[in-house]
Amino acid sequence: AQSVAQPEDQVNVAEGNPLTVKCTYSVSGNPYLFWYVQYPNRGLQFLLKYITGDNLVKGSYGFEAEFNKSQTSFHLKKPSALVSDSALYFCAVRVLAPTDSWGKLQFGAGTQVVVTP
Amino acid sequence: DGGITQSPKYLFRKEGQNVTLSCEQNLNHDAMYWYRQDPGQGLRLIYYSQIVNDFQKGDIAEGYSVSREKKESFPLTVTSAQKNPTAFYLCASRGRTSGSGPDTQYFGPGTRLTVL
Repeated sequence: AQSVAQPEDQVNVAEGNPLTVKCTYSVSGNPYLFWYVQYPNRGLQFLLKYITGDNLVKGSYGFEAEFNKSQTSFHLKKPSALVSDSALYFCAVRVLAPTDSWGKLQFGAGTQVVVTP
Repeated sequence: DGGITQSPKYLFRKEGQNVTLSCEQNLNHDAMYWYRQDPGQGLRLIYYSQIVNDFQKGDIAEGYSVSREKKESFPLTVTSAQKNPTAFYLCASRGRTSGSGPDTQYFGPGTRLTVL
């Protein structure tokens, strides 16, 4: 089955410390992987994606993610967390569908990040 | 959220009533999507449309209906057949946008539906 998992419901980190949000996936073929962030009562904001190329992907607001094919992971990272990074983070993977050429996104359950001053 | 609007932001419905959620985009994207978000469950796909006058059921289409008569509009109707409609509903579109390729979905601000 094609799926994506975020093993941590919540990640707590002190401001200024490194932040890592974990994501693992299981798909057929080459994965398209995405990270989004959601603030309370708002829509999702796109952070970054991996389609092909360099395994280290840089995105918005100082975030980056590393694609690891052997471990089927796509962890989100930020070297120095800010209080304003406190939000809900979603990992997503493209799942191919027989009825259309692009497929659809399957989302993880989300990880709540809490950054304390 | 820029380029995709959803209205209303909050919606209250009595049991047994149908209600329609609006989604409009000015990004010239071909593909549009509707998701439902419940606490602790991430996003689940309700319906999607790759092109005007065509749409497909997602993972939880029962009790919902959509139309795609115009490229920029993809309204979602929550019918009385939907057993538990209280949720946060998100619309998205996918296509080429400055600084990104054609594979990225962009989301609207969402509509919170509450059944009284």
